[in-house]
Formats: sequence, C-alpha cells, structure tokens
Amino acid sequence: KAGVTQTPRYLIKTRGQQVTLSCSPISGHRSVSWYQQTPGQGLQFLFEYFSETQRNKGNFPGRFSGRQFSNSRSEMNVSTLELGDSALYLCASSPLSGNPYEQYFGPGTRLTVT
Amino acid sequence: SQQGEEDPQALSIQEGENATMNCSYKTSINNLQWYRQNSGRGLVHLILIRSNEREKHSGRLRVTLDTSKKSSSLLITASRAADTASYFCATDFQGAQKLVFGQGTRLTINP
Repeated sequence: KAGVTQTPRYLIKTRGQQVTLSCSPISGHRSVSWYQQTPGQGLQFLFEYFSETQRNKGNFPGRFSGRQFSNSRSEMNVSTLELGDSALYLCASSPLSGNPYEQYFGPGTRLTVT
Repeated sequence: SQQGEEDPQALSIQEGENATMNCSYKTSINNLQWYRQNSGRGLVHLILIRSNEREKHSGRLRVTLDTSKKSSSLLITASRAADTASYFCATDFQGAQKLVFGQGTRLTINP
C-alpha cells in the first residue's frame, strides 16, 4: 500500500496570509490526525477526523481548522498566519479511531512564515 | 501538562553499544507507543505496548512499561549508524482519543 502523502512538502507564506495543507491517508484508513511540530513546543496534536467528522481537537486557536472528505483525504487550513505558525505539519492516518491508536505518519509539510 | 517527559534529551554512543531511553507520563494510559523520526521527516511507528503488558520485543527493540511508576523504557541493542534519529514516546490517555508525545530523545550513533 502507498503510504500517507502530504502536499505540498515545503511552503513559504507571508504573515497575514492563509494556507491550506493536504493529506491523503493510507487506502482504507478512515482516521486522519494532524500535528504541529516545532523545536520549542515539540509535537502537538491539532485535531482528528474520522468519517468526515472532527472527533477530537487540541488546544489551538480557531485560525486552525480542518476537514475530511468522503474519500478520507483531509485538509487543514491556517488563516491569518503568524510567525509562530512556522512549523512542520504532520498528518497521520489510522485504520480506526480509538484504541489502539497506532498512527502512520506522512513526511510532513514544512511551513515557513515570513 | 499531560505531555510525557523523556530522558535523556540527547544520547551519543558508539556503534554496537546498547541505547536506553526513558519516558514518564502523568495519567493513566490505554497504550504507549514509541516512534522514530529521522531529521525533519515523518515519524515511523516502532512498537506499541498496551497498559496490561510489561515488556515487548521487536527485533533489536525492547520496550518495558511500568504503570505503577508511569514510566516506559526503550532499549535498542547492538546499535547501528542508521539508528541515529529522534525517538518519541506517545501515549493515549484513558478518555482522550489523541496521542500525546514526549519531547523526544535525540540519539546519535558514532561509527
């Protein structure tokens, strides 16, 4: 099976702009989670989608949003970008939502906000 | 914070030696997992240990879990240069369907 794919791999945006990142999960996986990784805060959970519904959400401001389509592909959107949003954004898929919660990660999208 | 803490933050050893990393967490868990991340790339799942298990092996990896101490350790035996990476523990807590990651241990294997 093909792994989790994320596009684009690298992105440079200006403060105040918005950005949309895309994630295609492993075929058959219905759960998609998003994480933000920064040197200072480490890996932080953003949200999880399962069957097009947001199942869980981390402690991020409303500028961070996401959605999942019927084919399980997911997008996350960040509006009004801030310098602190520069990070590696990781998407992970899982066959099911719940226990056990083994995640398969994509290569990430490196977002730089200038 | 529910985030796990890993110890040490960085570890440098010679090829062939064993590497041990520790992870502590704060609340009751369903499972604990270990992931590896090569520089700036995605995470790779290594091993999952359930809360009712005490030890698990996978190839050169050995994971232990002590729920009374809320801690886990990852042992990599006979290390290789390719093991150079950051290693993260991740827990999913009872009542929360999400993974919480530790800050990671940066492992360097010197040839």
